[in-house]
Parts: sequence; structure tokens; C-alpha cells
Amino acid sequence: AQKVTQAQTEISVVEKEDVTLDCVYETRDTTYYLFWYKQPPSGELVFLIRRNSFDEQNEISGRYSWNFQKSTSSFNFTITASQVVDSAVYFCALVSPNQAGTALIFGKGTTLSVSS
Amino acid sequence: GAGVSQSPRYKVAKRGQDVALRCDPISGHVSLFWYQQALGQGPEFLTYFQNEAQLDKSGLPSDRFFAERPEGSVSTLKIQRTQQEDSAVYLCASSSSGRASYNEQFFGPGTRLTVL
Repeated sequence: AQKVTQAQTEISVVEKEDVTLDCVYETRDTTYYLFWYKQPPSGELVFLIRRNSFDEQNEISGRYSWNFQKSTSSFNFTITASQVVDSAVYFCALVSPNQAGTALIFGKGTTLSVSS
Repeated sequence: GAGVSQSPRYKVAKRGQDVALRCDPISGHVSLFWYQQALGQGPEFLTYFQNEAQLDKSGLPSDRFFAERPEGSVSTLKIQRTQQEDSAVYLCASSSSGRASYNEQFFGPGTRLTVL
């Protein structure tokens, strides 16, 4: 079965702290795609990153970085020097084409609260 | 338009009423998806269109749910004889790619449906 687990339901940090959001996925496909989306209080899902299963290079974009490890089926997301504007629900998602078609399979999300 | 738009943004229905939710995808986007997001949960896939063809409707929860995209652009999700368990946010997403590329999906703001 295809599944995404985000074990952290809620995280609270103070501004400028670093925070890591965990994501563990399950699939039998050898080709699959992993995503992170941000859902601010306004409700609209905002795309952050897409990674295919053949590219295990870590990625950094400004204060955001992602660590993809196939050995542990994890795709963790780190925010460095967090800011209040980072407060949102963050979703990790999987596309597993052979097993589950084109649909995004989402985790339950992690609510991040950053206080000043 | 610049992004995916959905209407109405909010809909209150009495149990047993039929509702129709509209999605305008990004112009030229081939793929269109509908998701259902219950409170505090991640979005769950309902159905997928490539142009006007509905290629996957495996996520529709019952035969009361029906979706169409007759001209390959605007899509309508119809729910007949609404039940309280249908209360959720209905998200529409579009993507420039067909099945092969699994590019990111761009989401609309959603329609919040409340069934009384």
C-alpha cells in the first residue's frame, strides 16, 4: 500500500529556531515522486518542492532544505531560522504511478507555529 | 487566469440537497484533479481528468458524487442528496503535464461545503 506518515502533529518554535518536519513514505514502486506543500491559514496549498525517486541529492532553497533518504524511506524538511510567516500546515505527499496512478497521496500534515 | 479558481468559496446546504462546485484551472493545463479535505486531515483524492477524459474516479466515495469536464477546461463536481459526512473543503488542482511527467499540481482556494 502507498502511504505517507507525518508523525508530528504540531510543532511550536520561537523565531530564529531551526525546525525539521519529518515525512516517512511507503510504496512498492521503484519510480515515484515526493512533494512538500504548505497550507497557510488562507487555505490554499502552495507547492514547495518535487523530488523523483532517482534523485537523492539534498536540496537547499533559501532557508528551506530537504533531506531525501531512500534507505529509511524519509523525505524530511528543515526550515532554518524560522519566521512567523512560516506558520502553516505542511503536507508531505507521494505520487506512486504504478500502484496508485497520478493522485497525490498526502500525509495528515504537521502544523507549525512560530512565535515572535 | 493567473491561478486556479473555485466557486463558490463557501456553500451551506441542507441535507438532501444537490450541490455543484466549479473549478477553473490554469489556462492550458491538461490535468485536473479534485480532492476532499476533511477538517484536520490531508487532502484525499477524488478524481482525475486528462483534458475531457475522466481517467480515474477511484476516489469518489459514492455514486452520489459525479464530476465532469466536458470541454477539457472548466470542471464541475456535483454531489447529489448531500449528507452531513460530505462536509469538507473540496480542492481542485491542475497540472501542465499529462500522466508521464507528474509535475507539481497547482491548487485552488477550495470550496468549503457545510451540510446541515
